[in-house]
Amino acid sequence: KQEVTQIPAALSVPEGENLVLNCSFTDSAIYNLQWFRQDPGKGLTSLLLIQSSQREQTSGRLNASLDKSSGRSTLYIAASQPGDSATYLCAVRQEKGSARQLTFGSGTQLTVLP
Amino acid sequence: KAGVTQTPRYLIKTRGQQVTLSCSPISGHRSVSWYQQTPGQGLQFLFEYFSETQRNKGNFPGRFSGRQFSNSRSEMNVSTLELGDSALYLCASTKLTGRDQPQHFGDGTRLSIL
Repeated sequence: KQEVTQIPAALSVPEGENLVLNCSFTDSAIYNLQWFRQDPGKGLTSLLLIQSSQREQTSGRLNASLDKSSGRSTLYIAASQPGDSATYLCAVRQEKGSARQLTFGSGTQLTVLP
Repeated sequence: KAGVTQTPRYLIKTRGQQVTLSCSPISGHRSVSWYQQTPGQGLQFLFEYFSETQRNKGNFPGRFSGRQFSNSRSEMNVSTLELGDSALYLCASTKLTGRDQPQHFGDGTRLSIL
């Protein structure tokens, strides 16, 4: 059974810092990995999707990497801003069949202090 | 382009009642998945529908059911509500064409059981 872990559970940084969020998964037979952010009382906003054959994806100040063999992904946020404050979740889709079921980590709650 | 729309946003019910939640996917998205989010268990997969058929089901009791209509809109139903069903219910839609399409989430329905 796939298990996804995110460390740390919470992180507080001053504005302007570069930071890294970590995600690990136990079963490396994944189809893809997706990073989301969730603001309080809201749904999930898709940030980046990395295919199993890719090493990284970039969007603006965000860069996500994937090391499938070691079961790890990182989300790098450059020059953090208070507006980046949210909970960040990673989720994996398994390789088997056509199921689009995602297994989520418990998230990292990020606070960027002005 | 309109996002995933979930109605209602908030719902208060009492134990033993039943409830129906609605999800309208992004136009052109044919797959709809449902997730339950609670503070204790995090995000857990309920089921996925496309072509009006349930394709995959998570580990939830039979009180949780769903359906999908020909226009891809989906509903989920929970019967004989229990206190533990209090949660944020999220719907996600995905295109079925092409590889590795990201899942896009709505803002959810917050269900509170008294």
